[in-house]
Amino acid sequence: DGGITQSPKYLFRKEGQNVTLSCEQNLNHDAMYWYRQDPGQGLRLIYYSQIVNDFQKGDIAEGYSVSREKKESFPLTVTSAQKNPTAFYLCASSIAGMDNQPQHFGDGTRLSIL
Amino acid sequence: GNSVTQMEGPVTLSEEAFLTINCTYTATGYPSLFWYVQYPGEGLQLLLKATKADDKGSNKGFEATYRKETTSFHLEKGSVQVSDSAVYFCALSGDRGSTLGRLYFGRGTQLTVWP
Repeated sequence: DGGITQSPKYLFRKEGQNVTLSCEQNLNHDAMYWYRQDPGQGLRLIYYSQIVNDFQKGDIAEGYSVSREKKESFPLTVTSAQKNPTAFYLCASSIAGMDNQPQHFGDGTRLSIL
Repeated sequence: GNSVTQMEGPVTLSEEAFLTINCTYTATGYPSLFWYVQYPGEGLQLLLKATKADDKGSNKGFEATYRKETTSFHLEKGSVQVSDSAVYFCALSGDRGSTLGRLYFGRGTQLTVWP
């Protein structure tokens, strides 16, 4: 079955530590997205990528970094510069270049601070 | 710019009651509109979509009509079930330039249905 796999499901970060969240898709989608979800705030876009080796900042990119070396993979690093990283992180993918195609979501990674 | 305003929750209903969750939007151009549903501990699933004015999206008894004149996309269901308890998100898709394909989400509405 095609879909998006996020790992790990739960992640704990120590102060001053960088952590990387994995996102893999086998839907053959060009576009991939990372969102942060906090209670009562909906989803906020962190980074997105329309094609391999290219990505753009979303609305809350500070303290995060991404790479897009392969079409299937779009890992997100939460750096020590992100002072409030506790949240639910969602990865999504879609067909690029079209506004009428839905995004497909993974099951998320919940990040907490130790 | 693009934005979505969604009815604040939580919404609590008895089984078989009628559901309406209001959603209005602001957009440049002619966006596509979506409703997503999120069950506890999971990602979002597409519930329905509409891609142009007066289109009606429908799925699993839920419906929403793209109203350009009122910039609205309200979600309705005639008879809710306990299994409909979830968080519902309204979203619009940017339709040009660097926003093409980006989704702009409302804050979500928590629905709880009691038996």
